[in-house]
Amino acid sequence: GNSVTQMEGPVTLSEEAFLTINCTYTATGYPSLFWYVQYPGEGLQLLLKATKADDKGSNKGFEATYRKETTSFHLEKGSVQVSDSAVYFCALLTGNYGGSQGNLIFGKGTKLSVKP
Amino acid sequence: DAGVTQSPTHLIKTRGQQVTLRCSPKSGHDTVSWYQQALGQGPQFIFQYYEEEERQRGNFPDRFSGHQFPNYSSELNVNALLLGDSALYLCASSHRSWTASGYTFGSGTRLTVV
Repeated sequence: GNSVTQMEGPVTLSEEAFLTINCTYTATGYPSLFWYVQYPGEGLQLLLKATKADDKGSNKGFEATYRKETTSFHLEKGSVQVSDSAVYFCALLTGNYGGSQGNLIFGKGTKLSVKP
Repeated sequence: DAGVTQSPTHLIKTRGQQVTLRCSPKSGHDTVSWYQQALGQGPQFIFQYYEEEERQRGNFPDRFSGHQFPNYSSELNVNALLLGDSALYLCASSHRSWTASGYTFGSGTRLTVV
């Protein structure tokens, strides 16, 4: 079945440090992949996405590349800020069938804390 | 342009009671999906509604039911509440043309069952 595995948190970094959050997936076919971010007390916000192999999604200094050969979609940022402190979720979109549009399968989330 | 609106924001219910949560999709969206997010976990898919019909369902018991109205808004109903139903319930909207641009999520309803 479909599943997403992402690195356990919490991750604590100093401001301007390099960030990597690992994400691997298991899926039938080639699903679209996403990173969502959740700030305290809020819902989910789409951070970036990739729809096919070798696509690179990017937004707000964050990047992730869809690697079919390693079934991975690792999130990276060259220099984190205190304002990046949040929980990050990797997700895949299942195929659409029976009139549905597919649904998102999420990892468990990785909490990032950035210290000044 | 309003995003996804959910109500109420917080709710406390007693075990065994019933609850109804509401969602208004983003303007221009016609599909609504519901997710349950337990504390410290990723969201889990409950079901998806389009054209007022349930199109897909996750691994949730029949105590969880829903409805979509002609204006695309939706309700999530949970009967016979259990302590384990305590969670953040998220509504996400999208359009049937789905361009993989990602669902738009609301801020959620925090349900506490005591």
